[in-house]
Amino acid sequence: QVQLVQSGAEVKTPGASMKISCRASGYRFTSHWMHWVRQAPGQGLEWMGLINPTGTVTLYAQKFQGRVTLTRDTSTSTDYMELTTLRSDDTAVYYCARDNSIAEADGSGWWFDPWGQGTLVTVS
Amino acid sequence: SSELTQDPAVSVALGQTVRITCRGDTLRNCYASWYQQKPGQAPVLVIYAKNNRPSGIPDRFSASSSGSTASLTITGAQAGDEADYYCNCRGASGNNWVFGGGTKVTVL
Repeated sequence: QVQLVQSGAEVKTPGASMKISCRASGYRFTSHWMHWVRQAPGQGLEWMGLINPTGTVTLYAQKFQGRVTLTRDTSTSTDYMELTTLRSDDTAVYYCARDNSIAEADGSGWWFDPWGQGTLVTVS
Repeated sequence: SSELTQDPAVSVALGQTVRITCRGDTLRNCYASWYQQKPGQAPVLVIYAKNNRPSGIPDRFSASSSGSTASLTITGAQAGDEADYYCNCRGASGNNWVFGGGTKVTVL
């Protein structure tokens, strides 16, 4: 079945960097973009960025520009999200989520499915 | 402020109908998707592309849209529907995606 499996929880000190992995299975990895989303404790979902199927194009939320890097290893069907210069407010659960989309005459739609199980990163 | 706005919370009696709204100009050109999230779990897609349900999502979940407002309706709410619900769409710039702030649904 289609599945995204993320790496395990991490504890980091302020100023450090983190790199999370997201391994895909059950579908053609190079046919879909991948989103990254985070959720701080008790807060809502926050979109961070997106990488294209070949790993050559990335889009980042303005908030994370300069601190986040998305990469992809197509040989292992694995995506990576690196966030640098960590602060305490980067403490959150980080998710990868596969992009799906449709374009019709009266509009377009995108949806995130499936999601990884989430990776808790604690910065303290 | 977020490009998509949701009411923070709503309650519904068991078996009754509840509507969750999502407002934002970007919805005029984008079909909202909707996600259910229960405590300690990853979000789950419940509606995509106008009013489509993934396999396994009950037909009591439906969606509609008009202008800059999208809505998710739960008809005959069950105790298991108690969760946070988020809408999502591509942002107005076309270079980002945005989530609403989420609506906490309580089933009484």
